[in-house]
Amino acid sequence: DIVMTQSPDSLAVSLGERATLNCKSSQSVLYRSNYKNFLAWYQQKPGQPPKLLIYWASIRESGVPDRFSGSGSGTDFTLTISSVQAEDVAVYYCQQYYSTPLTFGGGTKLEIK
Amino acid sequence: EAQLVESGGGLVQPGGSLRLSCSASDFIFSNYDMHWVRQVTGKGLEWVSGIGIAGETYYGDSVKGRFNISRENAKKSIYLQMHNLRAGDTALYFCTRGLFERRGSSKGDDAFDLWGQGTLVTVSS
Repeated sequence: DIVMTQSPDSLAVSLGERATLNCKSSQSVLYRSNYKNFLAWYQQKPGQPPKLLIYWASIRESGVPDRFSGSGSGTDFTLTISSVQAEDVAVYYCQQYYSTPLTFGGGTKLEIK
Repeated sequence: EAQLVESGGGLVQPGGSLRLSCSASDFIFSNYDMHWVRQVTGKGLEWVSGIGIAGETYYGDSVKGRFNISRENAKKSIYLQMHNLRAGDTALYFCTRGLFERRGSSKGDDAFDLWGQGTLVTVSS
């Protein structure tokens, strides 16, 4: 099974500042035949189901603000929020879909400083 | 607007069984893989099971042999039959749609772009 590890567990950022969230997979999730990374990011606010933000490691889902961006390849990935807003307070999860069982990271809780 | 609605959760004793249902609307259900993801209160997400458009099924290690996923395209529904339930199965169970519109069988490789609100399963005596 591919283990997903997120860091930090929690992060406090001032409004308007940049937030950097990390995700590492125990093996590569890069599929070399199409050079795509099978990695997604989700945002979950309290009392709500998760919301897909990013897939293929860097493609923003429709309607997601462009302050959210994803990067990385192979085993190391980053979700960046360029200018954190109050509504970005949430837990963020990464997920690999390279192979079953599909697995999630433990989450990073983003708070406002 | 596309929507997923789960039902069937509740309180069940250890060793018991329960069947969850998920009803979909406003999208071409038969073209998408569907999945169940669960979340223990205050904890992270765990993928439970998935079913492809051709009926191929996939299971997480912790539920393999105890849970069975199925789909009924005519009713735009999926189901999760759970047997031999344990305290560790206590969670909010989300029905989710696979991101990719499929043309044939898949290998279960999916992100999830549509989620229901979840149905709560509590396993306790």
